[in-house]
Amino acid sequence: DAGVIQSPRHEVTEMGQEVTLRCKPISGHNSLFWYRQTMMRGLELLIYFNNNVPIDDSGMPEDRFSAKMPNASFSTLKIQPSEPRDSAVYFCASSATGDANTEAFFGQGTRLTVV
Amino acid sequence: AQSVTQLGSHVSVSEGALVLLRCNYSSSVPPYLFWYVQYPNQGLQLLLKYTTGATLVKGINGFEAEFKKSETSFHLTKPSAHMSDAAEYFCAVLPGGSYIPTFGRGTSLIVHP
Repeated sequence: DAGVIQSPRHEVTEMGQEVTLRCKPISGHNSLFWYRQTMMRGLELLIYFNNNVPIDDSGMPEDRFSAKMPNASFSTLKIQPSEPRDSAVYFCASSATGDANTEAFFGQGTRLTVV
Repeated sequence: AQSVTQLGSHVSVSEGALVLLRCNYSSSVPPYLFWYVQYPNQGLQLLLKYTTGATLVKGINGFEAEFKKSETSFHLTKPSAHMSDAAEYFCAVLPGGSYIPTFGRGTSLIVHP
């Protein structure tokens, strides 16, 4: 398996623009996580999906952020409108819940810069 | 609610010296425990994990960690540091019955020649 695949790897956008980050989880995994990493706040969980259903979105900063998982092999995280404070590295991770092998597998991340 | 505390945001060692990265957790139920490593511009990779059974767990690259329930600790060690070990290390806890891991703030390991 190619692992968790995120695109793009880097994104530079202007303040006010819409940004869409994409994630393809590992085939067969039924849990998907979006994290944001910054120097100030470390690794923050934004949202958790189980079987394509959002279970915990308490970490989503505000209404400008939205996430979808239309099927088991694809998820998006959208920021509209983007602001400079959204600049961070965004990670997608997936795991196979229900057994002892419950570690999360991370993608390479998307480095977002909002200018 | 569970939490993870990693003592020391930065740890500096000389090449060949012992590496010790500390992790303490709180969890109301027996947890699964993980250590991840993050190299620059990369995602997090699993180093090792504890689920059940033997409390001393061996991982990749010569790292190991010991689960000590009485101390609620899961410290990461390596007998001899290598320059290639320089990275960010994250401890994570997954309480039994939960699907959402909680990560520590991370410890940056610096290895001097």
